[in-house]
Amino acid sequence: QSVLTQPPSASGTPGQRVTISCSGSGSNIGANTVNWYQQLPETAPKLLISTNSQRPSGVPARFSGSKSGASASLAISGLQSEDEADYYCAAWDDSLNGVVFGGGTKLTVL
Amino acid sequence: EVRLVESGGGLVQPGRSRRLSCTVSGFKFEDYAMHWVRQAPGKGLEWVSGITWNSGRIAYGESVKGRFTISRDNAKNSLYLQMNGLRLEDTAFYYCVKDNSGWYGDFDYWGQGALVTVSS
Repeated sequence: QSVLTQPPSASGTPGQRVTISCSGSGSNIGANTVNWYQQLPETAPKLLISTNSQRPSGVPARFSGSKSGASASLAISGLQSEDEADYYCAAWDDSLNGVVFGGGTKLTVL
Repeated sequence: EVRLVESGGGLVQPGRSRRLSCTVSGFKFEDYAMHWVRQAPGKGLEWVSGITWNSGRIAYGESVKGRFTISRDNAKNSLYLQMNGLRLEDTAFYYCVKDNSGWYGDFDYWGQGALVTVSS
């Protein structure tokens, strides 16, 4: 049972817009910034969104992040087949004094 | 090019110890906090431990507290994880991760992972 709550799965067709939610509490998302990671099959995770909404160099503009209160979301527009991956949200937790992750969302491109 | 290379993974019996190492290149290691994150096969990500640039601040996840010890040697551009009293549930890929935020978990570079299998 992860501290941050994500839907276990999401899906969409090529070209569609998909959003993935991440719910936390006042000690994590409510107090600190959220990062999103993409993990393609059989590879290490990669930073996708930093500090709630910042895209690192090389990340397509199709990916965007937002945060409101103790929740955050990742949006992927113009969905492509190569976006099929696991997506994780994460944030520092002031109460646990550590980083907490969501359980991950497996995105399927139909 | 930033590179993080873990080593030391393998098969270990329950109750025994194992030391993971991570050697980095491509950035000024001594300026950044570093962490270990693990992932059991087919499962999600779990933060294990973090250490600031000067080892002045160290923290552990609840599941490894008292058993694992993180350390670093800035002269050798290396991060370590000493794992004692290993349990079956410690079986996972262990990733060495660079923190771009100073401490709070902005993991901008990851190693390829070292698999630790705890089994009798």
